[in-house]
Amino acid sequence: SQTIHQWPATLVQPVGSPLSLECTVEGTSNPNLYWYRQAAGRGLQLLFYSVGIGQISSEVPQNLSASRPQDRQFILSSKKLLLSDSGFYLCAWSLGRGQPQHFGDGTRLSIL
Amino acid sequence: AQTVTQSQPEMSVQEAETVTLSCTYDTSESDYYLFWYKQPPSRQMILVIRQEAYKQQNATENRFSVNFQKAAKSFSLKISDSQLGDAAMYFCAPGTYSGAGSYQLTFGKGTKLSVIP
Repeated sequence: SQTIHQWPATLVQPVGSPLSLECTVEGTSNPNLYWYRQAAGRGLQLLFYSVGIGQISSEVPQNLSASRPQDRQFILSSKKLLLSDSGFYLCAWSLGRGQPQHFGDGTRLSIL
Repeated sequence: AQTVTQSQPEMSVQEAETVTLSCTYDTSESDYYLFWYKQPPSRQMILVIRQEAYKQQNATENRFSVNFQKAAKSFSLKISDSQLGDAAMYFCAPGTYSGAGSYQLTFGKGTKLSVIP
């Protein structure tokens, strides 16, 4: 069966520091991969998605970036974090048309 | 771009009773699917039910069912025999193709459901 791993679960970072969140999927090939951010008490905002290795599409301009160095690995990065980057970040995968997205357990990011 | 409206920010239901959560959406697509997700306090996103827009028959998954009205662009979730474990945020999420070949979901702002013992 397919599983998705996302880490770390919690992260506290100072303003201006770099960020790297990682997500890996097991048990499937060539999944679509997604990064979302969820503000407290709000819905999910799509940040990036990828349909293949090295293919990244950005939905929201910001100081975050994403990379997909391997088929089942998706990384969210920042060179310098802002206070507004605080939130709950979720990674998800799907097999495309009409299929549901399956989510990791999320990373709670706090910026001090 | 799609818009999704969940008009009930909060709802409550007595244990063992039935509750309906509403969702309306706006899309110009003809081929799409719709989903309801549940997010308990642990914040894990859990798929509840899936509906194919080209099917007139409403999807059912155990105690969960939908009322899909395509012309009205309405997709409500009915929870029967509510249990304490149903307490969570519920998100409606229609999905369509993006221009870059990916299938994307647009999430509503959610409805917080409380279950009263």
